Amino acid sequence: AQKVTQAQTEISVVEKEDVTLDCVYETRDTTYYLFWYKQPPSGELVFLIRRNSFDEQNEISGRYSWNFQKSTSSFNFTITASQVVDSAVYFCALSGGVSGGYQKVTFGTGTKLQVIP
Amino acid sequence: EAEVAQSPRYKITEKSQAVAFWCDPISGHATLYWYRQILGQGPELLVQFQDESVVDDSQLPKDRFSAERLKGVDSTLKIQPAELGDSAMYLCASSLGRASYNSPLHFGNGTRLTVT
Repeated sequence: AQKVTQAQTEISVVEKEDVTLDCVYETRDTTYYLFWYKQPPSGELVFLIRRNSFDEQNEISGRYSWNFQKSTSSFNFTITASQVVDSAVYFCALSGGVSGGYQKVTFGTGTKLQVIP
Repeated sequence: EAEVAQSPRYKITEKSQAVAFWCDPISGHATLYWYRQILGQGPELLVQFQDESVVDDSQLPKDRFSAERLKGVDSTLKIQPAELGDSAMYLCASSLGRASYNSPLHFGNGTRLTVT
């Protein structure tokens, strides 16, 4: 069984502060993928990043960075110098294979980020 | 980039009535998902298609929900009869992969259902 835990329900920061969103996962698969999605108030979930279980290198994309630590089953997301446009709900998701070969994707409960101007 | 199309955007219905949602995935995407998202929670998978076949409907309340993807392209999700607890956002997503599981999901704007 797969499980994704996002313990932070809501976070508020003042603009330009850095913020880290936590994600902890559980899986029995040896090969799996982790994702982060952003859901702005408009409602559409937008794909941000994908990371496979064999690649523990941290990744940086502009103000966004991701820290994958297999030893602690965590895939945390940091926004540097937050902006009001970053206000959204962020979801961590886990994708693993099941018998039959199809993709099974499990989402966390999300962290609502509010950036205050 | 092409988008996943969903309609209607909003739907208000009375309990015990039937309601249907439509989804057109990105062209060429083999896998189509229907998720339900209750306010303040994460998306929960209702049904997953690979081409025209259902590969996972373990969380679909089959006494009232049905889904089809007859030609392996667009899909319809139906609820009959609707109950108050069905009020939620219904999200459709598609992904490119068949036997791989590294494909990101592409979501539509969702259908906000309110049952009165």
